[in-house]
Amino acid sequence: EAGVAQSPRYKIIEKRQSVAFWCNPISGHATLYWYQQILGQGPKLLIQFQNNGVVDDSQLPKDRFSAERLKGVDSTLKIQPAKLEDSAVYLCASSPDYYNEQFFGPGTRLTVL
Amino acid sequence: AQTVTQSQPEMSVQEAETVTLSCTYDTSESDYYLFWYKQPPSRQMILVIRQEAYKQQNATENRFSVNFQKAAKSFSLKISDSQLGDAAMYFCAYRSSYSGGGADGLTFGKGTHLIIQP
Repeated sequence: EAGVAQSPRYKIIEKRQSVAFWCNPISGHATLYWYQQILGQGPKLLIQFQNNGVVDDSQLPKDRFSAERLKGVDSTLKIQPAKLEDSAVYLCASSPDYYNEQFFGPGTRLTVL
Repeated sequence: AQTVTQSQPEMSVQEAETVTLSCTYDTSESDYYLFWYKQPPSRQMILVIRQEAYKQQNATENRFSVNFQKAAKSFSLKISDSQLGDAAMYFCAYRSSYSGGGADGLTFGKGTHLIIQP
């Protein structure tokens, strides 16, 4: 069974530029999560989708971050404009449904200069 | 809001020895789940072990076991017969049992870097 796929693996941008990350969850998984992991810290949940609806986005900085999950499968996380403090690893995870094990992808490392 | 604290930024153990990683948490909920995740340099987060708060018996998975003390809000991970492949960051995580509406994101600690000495 294929795992959670993410791309790109690495991205370097200048501050104030825009960037987008892509996630393809495990086939059939209804729930999808985006986490932000700043260096030296544990991951922090940004947003949770159930199919193509948002379940929890309370920690998403909505002035600059946006996310969508069209057709309840792939998801895109966008940052516009990026700030220096957005430098982090962005992890995507998926789960068959609520309150099940979450399976993580390899993450995208973002560096904002 | 729940918080998870890992007070050991780094731990070192000799290969084949036993090591214990500490985790404490703060919550007002009575029912919840606790997890230990391993994150190797490849960054892929891997579930090591999970514990349901309503279960008094400590979870065990091969060489990995936990010491769950609900009253003390403590959840430590014991790794027996440490192997070189155990070297990684280890994160303790909390999840509500049921929050209504399906919000079940994990709350993580800051992690412990485990070094295995050959």
